[in-house]
Amino acid sequence: DAKTTQPPSMDCAEGRAANLPCNHSTISGNEYVYWYRQIHSQGPQYIIHGLKNNETNEMASLIITEDRKSSTLILPHATLRDTAVYYCIVFPNNAGNMLTFGGGTRLMVKP
Amino acid sequence: DTAVSQTPKYLVTQMGNDKSIKCEQNLGHDTMYWYKQDSKKFLKIMFSYNNKELIINETVPNRFSPKSPDKAHLNLHINSLELGDSAVYFCASRRENEKLFFGSGTQLSVL
Repeated sequence: DAKTTQPPSMDCAEGRAANLPCNHSTISGNEYVYWYRQIHSQGPQYIIHGLKNNETNEMASLIITEDRKSSTLILPHATLRDTAVYYCIVFPNNAGNMLTFGGGTRLMVKP
Repeated sequence: DTAVSQTPKYLVTQMGNDKSIKCEQNLGHDTMYWYKQDSKKFLKIMFSYNNKELIINETVPNRFSPKSPDKAHLNLHINSLELGDSAVYFCASRRENEKLFFGSGTQLSVL
C-alpha cells in the first residue's frame, strides 16, 4: 500500500503558483520524499526530492514540514503544460525496495 | 539516447496468448522495476529486481514473470493473457541512493 495520501484533483490558474499537498505521516527516518508527474500516458517524470530540508530546482520547490509528516510541491508559475498527474512517493534510498505509488493529484491548469 | 527504453510501445493480442515486453536501461543502474497502470491510473508495483534479489508483489499472478538476461535488461513475460491484463506497463530503473527513471510505457490490449 502507498504510504502517501494526496487530494485526487486540483485546479490552478495559469501563471499562478500551484501548491500540491501530500501527507506521509508514517514516513521513516531514512525515507526520502520524491515527487513525479505524468503527462497523459507518458512515463512518470522526476521533479524533485528531499529528506528534511526544503529543496528548489528549475522545475519546482519542495517544502517539508519539520516533523516530516507532510510536504508541499510548489510550481511557482504554473503553465498549461504543467497539467498532469502529480505523484508523491516516499522510499528509502537503498535499492531493491518495492516503490509504491499512490493515486496522485490530477492538476488542471486553466487559462 | 533514451535512458530506459521499452518495446513494443503498443501490443494488441488475443486472450490466451503468451507475450513479452522488453526493457533496457543504459544508465548502469542496479535495480529495475515493472509497474502496471490500469484505467484508473494507479501505478502498481509488480516486481523489483537486482542481480541479487527478485521481489514480487504478492498480488501479481504467477502468469507474469520477469526475466533478466543481464544487468541492463529486465523483460516481462506474460502467459495465458486475460482481458484484465489490458493496461499500460512501465519499466523503471534506479541506482541506489538515486532517483527512479521510467520508460515510456507499453500499452497492452487483450482482445
